[in-house]
Amino acid sequence: DSGVTQTPKHLITATGQRVTLRCSPRSGDLSVYWYQQSLDQGLQFLIHYYNGEERAKGNILERFSAQQFPDLHSELNLSSLELGDSALYFCASSPDRVRADTQYFGPGTRLTVL
Amino acid sequence: GESVGLHLPTLSVQEGDNSIINCAYSNSASDYFIWYKQESGKGPQFIIDIRSNMDKRQGQRVTVLLNKTVKHLSLQIAATQPGDSAVYFCAELMDSSYKLIFGSGTRLLVRP
Repeated sequence: DSGVTQTPKHLITATGQRVTLRCSPRSGDLSVYWYQQSLDQGLQFLIHYYNGEERAKGNILERFSAQQFPDLHSELNLSSLELGDSALYFCASSPDRVRADTQYFGPGTRLTVL
Repeated sequence: GESVGLHLPTLSVQEGDNSIINCAYSNSASDYFIWYKQESGKGPQFIIDIRSNMDKRQGQRVTVLLNKTVKHLSLQIAATQPGDSAVYFCAELMDSSYKLIFGSGTRLLVRP
């Protein structure tokens, strides 16, 4: 158990809908990262937050957004969902922003768009 | 559980043998490398890391080798066990960036 929690574990929804995925980092970790893992693209970095502020963006679509709250949990919002958004979504956390450090991953949310 | 990539290269080894999983990384400026293990239905789990100022690092039953000249990373697992069956990813990172860049993964199957 990495100490990172994600909810829900599974999510099934229809095209055009909007969903929110939630992540709680390990106790004391200030950084949260979101990744998308699809069958044909492997693990893709989406976005990084540190202590409530966005720090880096990867291949994140404009339909997707994220935020990190004062209690350090983070939410990833996916809107106008398309079939191709079906994937595993992982968040990871790490303690430090100053130094590159190991990221610890949560169990993931499996999103299925029908 | 969910399958992680249907077209991953697969390494099949006999239980008790040593395994070597290879990875070619992309960015010569990367200075930190991590190996992750991902079991079906779970998130990637940290195994071992290495910084670019090292060429070898050992953990418990695992060794990572780094060859910066050819941008190659390998993970050696000694006395492979059935519980080692999983998909293994290498990841690279630059200190100036917090974007982990993952390799495509290798599936390790351990035959009893």
